[in-house]
Amino acid sequence: DAGVIQSPRHEVTEMGQEVTLRCKPISGHDYLFWYRQTMMRGLELLIYFNNNVPIDDSGMPEDRFSAKMPNASFSTLKIQPSEPRDSAVYFCASNPFPGGTQYFGPGTRLTVL
Amino acid sequence: QKEVEQDPGPLSVPEGAIVSLNCTYSNSAFQYFMWYRQYSRKGPELLMYTYSSGNKEDGRFTAQVDKSSKYISLFIRDSQPSDSATYLCAMSARSGGGADGLTFGKGTHLIIQP
Repeated sequence: DAGVIQSPRHEVTEMGQEVTLRCKPISGHDYLFWYRQTMMRGLELLIYFNNNVPIDDSGMPEDRFSAKMPNASFSTLKIQPSEPRDSAVYFCASNPFPGGTQYFGPGTRLTVL
Repeated sequence: QKEVEQDPGPLSVPEGAIVSLNCTYSNSAFQYFMWYRQYSRKGPELLMYTYSSGNKEDGRFTAQVDKSSKYISLFIRDSQPSDSATYLCAMSARSGGGADGLTFGKGTHLIIQP
């Protein structure tokens, strides 16, 4: 298996632009998580899905952030409009069931100028 | 007080030394405890997974959980330069964090000097 796939790996954009991050979980994994990592705050859970349904989005910082999972093999995290404080590494992770290990993707390094 | 506290380091030790990494937490509902290793510019990867209190050993790694003290540790024996990475503790009230995600420490940056 290729593991969790994220794209792009790096994104540089200007303040006010829309940013879309993409994730393909491991096939057969029913849970998908989006995390954000910064030096100041560490790794924070933003939102997670079970069987494509958002279960808990309490970690989403603002209405500028939205996430979708239209099918079992694809999820997006969108920021519109982006701000410099959104600069971070965004990770996607998946696991097969509540007792399973979370597998992380390589992350998307976002820089908002 | 943050839910999970972890010293960010850096912690620098000579090759072959025993390394001790620690986290404290405040949420008594946490039952599942994990250690992830993260190399620079990579995603975290699971090292150890334990349930409730006790010890678990896997090769050179030992994870220890003391729920009464809300304190967890990771020991690395015979440390190698390839162990140089950031180590994050993570915990959950549910098995594997599958139902509600994981709460992470900020990570300890470990450097093993050859």
